[in-house]
Amino acid sequence: QKEVEQDPGPLSVPEGAIVSLNCTYSNSAFQYFMWYRQYSRKGPELLMYTYSSGNKEDGRFTAQVDKSSKYISLFIRDSQPSDSATYLCAMSSNYGGSQGNLIFGKGTKLSVKP
Amino acid sequence: GAVVSQHPSWVICKSGTSVKIECRSLDFQATTMFWYRQFPKQSLMLMATSNEGSKATYEQGVEKDKFLINHASLTLSTLTVTSAHPEDSSFYICSAEPPGQGYEQYFGPGTRLTVT
Repeated sequence: QKEVEQDPGPLSVPEGAIVSLNCTYSNSAFQYFMWYRQYSRKGPELLMYTYSSGNKEDGRFTAQVDKSSKYISLFIRDSQPSDSATYLCAMSSNYGGSQGNLIFGKGTKLSVKP
Repeated sequence: GAVVSQHPSWVICKSGTSVKIECRSLDFQATTMFWYRQFPKQSLMLMATSNEGSKATYEQGVEKDKFLINHASLTLSTLTVTSAHPEDSSFYICSAEPPGQGYEQYFGPGTRLTVT
């Protein structure tokens, strides 16, 4: 079993739809959970960061972490064509430095149609 | 926000030659930088962790003699792919960690390497 599992999609939704992206993981030591957005042929950019379990909201984006189920989600409300990208989940058991290695999911490719 | 640049953005080289990729943190000092490789439709795979002034730490399965990493200053890390082969063709991405923000890595735009 891979440490982080993420459905690669592709996922296609109409503009204005609510998008739900998910990852599951197996390592119970993970405490830091991130969502990155990556446009084609570009480096990832950090969207959301959550420590331990709970919800976090930033504008149209909401991140949820359920450590008991080893399941994290990213919700995008009122999706826009500019949200079309690949979304990567990432997680770590340590707080940065040489020990803060991120383990990434494969990424879910999202397409928002106008 | 913190900016990380990479150069070149795209390079084509012949099999057997070496290629150097630069990663720079433009507006902050990074004691730790990371090098990733991403194959098409695959996730980012960590290759090595680069610490300023010390030897890089390589992930299992990554040949340290083939992928030479130098982190000579707090704003520059380089990855040299030596004796490149077609199977080394990939998207190489670096990231840098600002001091005091251990959870956050800022990624460069990536370098696409094609070995012919």
